[in-house]
Formats: sequence, structure tokens, C-alpha cells
Amino acid sequence: GAGVSQTPSNKVTEKGKYVELRCDPISGHTALYWYRQSLGQGPEFLIYFQGTGAADDSGLPNDRFFAVRPEGSVSTLKIQRTERGDSAVYLCASSQGGGNTEAFFGQGTRLTVV
Amino acid sequence: GNSVTQMEGPVTLSEEAFLTINCTYTATGYPSLFWYVQYPGEGLQLLLKATKADDKGSNKGFEATYRKETTSFHLEKGSVQVSDSAVYFCALRGTGGYQKVTFGTGTKLQVIP
Repeated sequence: GAGVSQTPSNKVTEKGKYVELRCDPISGHTALYWYRQSLGQGPEFLIYFQGTGAADDSGLPNDRFFAVRPEGSVSTLKIQRTERGDSAVYLCASSQGGGNTEAFFGQGTRLTVV
Repeated sequence: GNSVTQMEGPVTLSEEAFLTINCTYTATGYPSLFWYVQYPGEGLQLLLKATKADDKGSNKGFEATYRKETTSFHLEKGSVQVSDSAVYFCALRGTGGYQKVTFGTGTKLQVIP
């Protein structure tokens, strides 16, 4: 597609459930980032992939959060045993490389844990 | 670590007013600086950027100058329009290979006719 695509756009889940959020980056982009944006805050870094490997996962808040990118394209962010505090907009971005190449953002997935 | 501080909103201006949104940063070396914009119902978009000291980024009538001496990257526009209503985020990316982007908390701008 022309831009970064994230699905679903909205997800409501019950506390304790497992969720998966999907990101389709721009074709050919090797770098992929996940961010989390809470209400009234700026995006907070979660994890960065270069190709298939997680080059930096220092932003993942705890071991309930995990992300994969098995073929170096689509990425899935997985959250186990969801908590109400996980409610936020999860943003994905991709770029042609690291360094100073521009990152393009998707519209995000709004996760609500009830 | 790296951090970005920007003025709190919301900022409400009349159409054709002058806009300044302040942004200061803390980082080692010479980071790249960005302004992103998020229009209602849309994703984050890069508005402008500057990669070295004294560079001026500009786009859609917006400007920001990379000031190393004051560690600032203030966003300005001479005459705002209703269509500029959005949330604006100042951000930086550190130097040296891969570096994640660090965002400020955002400033909501509302322009009234």
C-alpha cells in the first residue's frame, strides 16, 4: 500500500485477555517502530526492528508485551493479560533505514481495556 | 537521556494570528530535530525537520530554526488558518546510526474564524 497500515483501527478487550495488533509497513522499508500514545501525551517508544530482528526493545514496559517481525515486513505487537493501564493508541512507523531517514506513521490502533 | 519539552496547550488563536510554539531539548551531540503534526482523525505526519545547527526547516508556511546555543526549535507561522488546527509534536533523534525518536507531549492548536 501507499502508507503504513495498522489493523484493527479500534480494539476493545476485557481485562486479562490477549490481544494482537498488526502493522503493515511501507513496502521496502527495513526499519519498523512501535510507539504507544496515551491520552494527552506524546508517543513513547516501545521497540525498533531492523529487518527481522528487534534492534532495540528497551521501551517495552514489561514482559506482557512482545513484538515480532518474522519476515522483515509485517509486524505484530502482542499483549498478554491486558490491564486497564494498557489502554492507549499504539502507533507503528516505518522508514527506509535507521539514522536520519524519515519515519512514516500509521493511523494507529486504539486499544481500550475494560 | 534525550528529552523534549514543549509548551503546554491548548493554544487558541484567531485566524491570521501569529503562532509560536516553544520547544527545547536535552541531548548529547547534535541531534536531528522535527516537528510532527496530527490532524483530527489522522496519523502523525512529519511537518518539518532540521539536521544541524542553524538549519531552518520550513513547510506549509511553518518554520523552525535549530538553535544549538539555546537548545531550542520553536515552531512559528506568520498567519494561521482554521485548517492548521491540530496537535503539534516536537521531537528529536540522536546522532550515530540508529536512534529512536523522542517526542514532546504535544501542543493542541485551535484556530477560530
